[in-house]
Amino acid sequence: NAGVTQTPKFRVLKTGQSMTLLCAQDMNHEYMYWYRQDPGMGLRLIHYSVGEGTTAKGEVPDGYNVSRLKKQNFLLGLESAAPSQTSVYFCAIQLDSNQPQHFGDGTRLSIL
Amino acid sequence: RKEVEQDPGPFNVPEGATVAFNCTYSNSASQSFFWYRQDCRKEPKLLMSVYSSGNEDGRFTAQLNRASQYISLLIRDSKLSDSATYLCVVNGDSNQKVTFGTGTKLQVIP
Repeated sequence: NAGVTQTPKFRVLKTGQSMTLLCAQDMNHEYMYWYRQDPGMGLRLIHYSVGEGTTAKGEVPDGYNVSRLKKQNFLLGLESAAPSQTSVYFCAIQLDSNQPQHFGDGTRLSIL
Repeated sequence: RKEVEQDPGPFNVPEGATVAFNCTYSNSASQSFFWYRQDCRKEPKLLMSVYSSGNEDGRFTAQLNRASQYISLLIRDSKLSDSATYLCVVNGDSNQKVTFGTGTKLQVIP
């Protein structure tokens, strides 16, 4: 997966619990993204980062926070999980704005 | 108008058939274009970039029409393994705007 590793692969949470999803890359790409994909739906951008120490909101940022303290890692946090956040979460990396994105193999998250 | 639009399908075609998908985009300043395939419950994978002059990779041909603001993907001699959802992706200007289409589902039938 183009040097993109997502952990964990699967997780079940109870409503109100918190957790952090990790995206790690070994490609030295500047840009990193977090998406969610619900069954039968397209990708929706949650947050993204254009470099170490920078983050920005995407299309559906509410209920999520992110951090990019190190260039190779992009963390997605759920402070108080809700059933509506049950989804598959994909991380992607990108060398620059004219290049394609490359995806990790996803984290399947269920919130009961 | 959506920024990137695709016919969701499904396109059901017999093995060996030729099938084509189009994808329209609204931002005339868009810089780069790609096709991805996504298998059920898997991550999107880059299929091919789309160049202004058109490009081919085996059975797959991609075309860009800037005047009419669409890209296309042609698949010749369809295989069962081509069954997937095909996403078009448009990279915008320097504001780091990347937009994914919602995908076109292809089912190749024996």
